[in-house]
Amino acid sequence: AQRVTQPEKLLSVFKGAPVELKCNYSYSGSPELFWYVQYSRQRLQLLLRHISRESIKGFTADLNKGETSFHLKKPFAQEEDSAMYYCALSDHGNTPLVFGKGTRLSVIA
Amino acid sequence: GAGVSQSPSNKVTEKGKDVELRCDPISGHTALYWYRQRLGQGLEFLIYFQGNSAPDKSGLPSDRFSAERTGESVSTLTIQRTQQEDSAVYLCASSVIASYTDTQYFGPGTRLTVL
Repeated sequence: AQRVTQPEKLLSVFKGAPVELKCNYSYSGSPELFWYVQYSRQRLQLLLRHISRESIKGFTADLNKGETSFHLKKPFAQEEDSAMYYCALSDHGNTPLVFGKGTRLSVIA
Repeated sequence: GAGVSQSPSNKVTEKGKDVELRCDPISGHTALYWYRQRLGQGLEFLIYFQGNSAPDKSGLPSDRFSAERTGESVSTLTIQRTQQEDSAVYLCASSVIASYTDTQYFGPGTRLTVL
């Protein structure tokens, strides 16, 4: 069965420090991976997805099929990055997303 | 245009009562999804609709849960004989088509509390 694991419930970093939010997945095929973000009092929204190979708000994520990981990284954290981050997986033939439990990022000034 | 809307934003009900949750997708979006998020858990898929195709109900946790969608418009999620474990935030999302490459746009959610 498909599964997404985010091992950290809470991650606190200082402003300007690098940040890495971990995501590991369990899936036998070639899934599509996504990162969604929920800022305080806002709705869940797409941050980035593997297929686009983009950088959004300074965040990047690389799919490592050998390690089945899709960690989210940013070299210099900003206070406005504080939010709840969810890693999600989609099977090519099955569009509902499988989500991890989320990691709350707190950037300390 | 307006994003996905959901109503009510909060619902408190007594155990055993039925509840209806409503979702208005973005106009023109053919795919609509329902997810549930219980406290401390990730989002859990419940059901999705794609155009006029039969819905994928594989995520519904029990036969107390059902959902309807009329065409490509409003959807209603119904929970019968609510139980305390049904307490959660119910999220609706829509996308242009049901494709793994298509962005899902989420509503603000309905927080359901079963006493």
